[in-house]
Amino acid sequence: DAGVIQSPRHEVTEMGQEVTLRCKPISGHDYLFWYRQTMMRGLELLIYFNNNVPIDDSGMPEDRFSAKMPNASFSTLKIQPSEPRDSAVYFCASSTGPPSSYNEQFFGPGTRLTVL
Amino acid sequence: GIQVEQSPPDLILQEGANSTLRCNFSDSVNNLQWFHQNPWGQLINLFYIPSGTKQNGRLSATTVATERYSLLYISSSQTTDSGVYFCAVLTTSGTYKYIFGTGTRLKVLA
Repeated sequence: DAGVIQSPRHEVTEMGQEVTLRCKPISGHDYLFWYRQTMMRGLELLIYFNNNVPIDDSGMPEDRFSAKMPNASFSTLKIQPSEPRDSAVYFCASSTGPPSSYNEQFFGPGTRLTVL
Repeated sequence: GIQVEQSPPDLILQEGANSTLRCNFSDSVNNLQWFHQNPWGQLINLFYIPSGTKQNGRLSATTVATERYSLLYISSSQTTDSGVYFCAVLTTSGTYKYIFGTGTRLKVLA
């Protein structure tokens, strides 16, 4: 298996632009997680899905952020409009089961976003 | 919400040395995991350890849930151990999700 795939790996954009990050989970994994990593706040869970349905989006920072999972093999995280404080590494992870029991989360390589 | 703190924040070792990383958490947790983030940014699970002790090669981990801490031991460190080590605890406030600690940045010198 190719593992969790994220694209793009690097994104540089200007403030006010729309940014779309993409994730393909491991085939057969029913759970998908979006995390953000910054120096100031560390690793934070933004949202996670089960069978394409959002389960917990309490970590989404504000209305500028939205995430979708139209099918089992694809998810997007969109920021519109982007701001410099959104600069971070965004990770996608997937697992076969819920966090409530031991199900290893496999992380993608991350997307490094820079908003100028 | 639950607080997860790790110590030390930074650690420099000579190759071959041993080290202990600590994770303290402020409330009862259902489980705990240790992750390694290598210098290229990749996050890899090391241990799932809600309680007790586990070992995997040169790494071992112990969690004392009643005292709200976990320890990660690295023996005979190698340069490939460099990176950031995170613990993450499962909170049951609302839905189940992991809260990550602040991390310990380890550098192993050849």
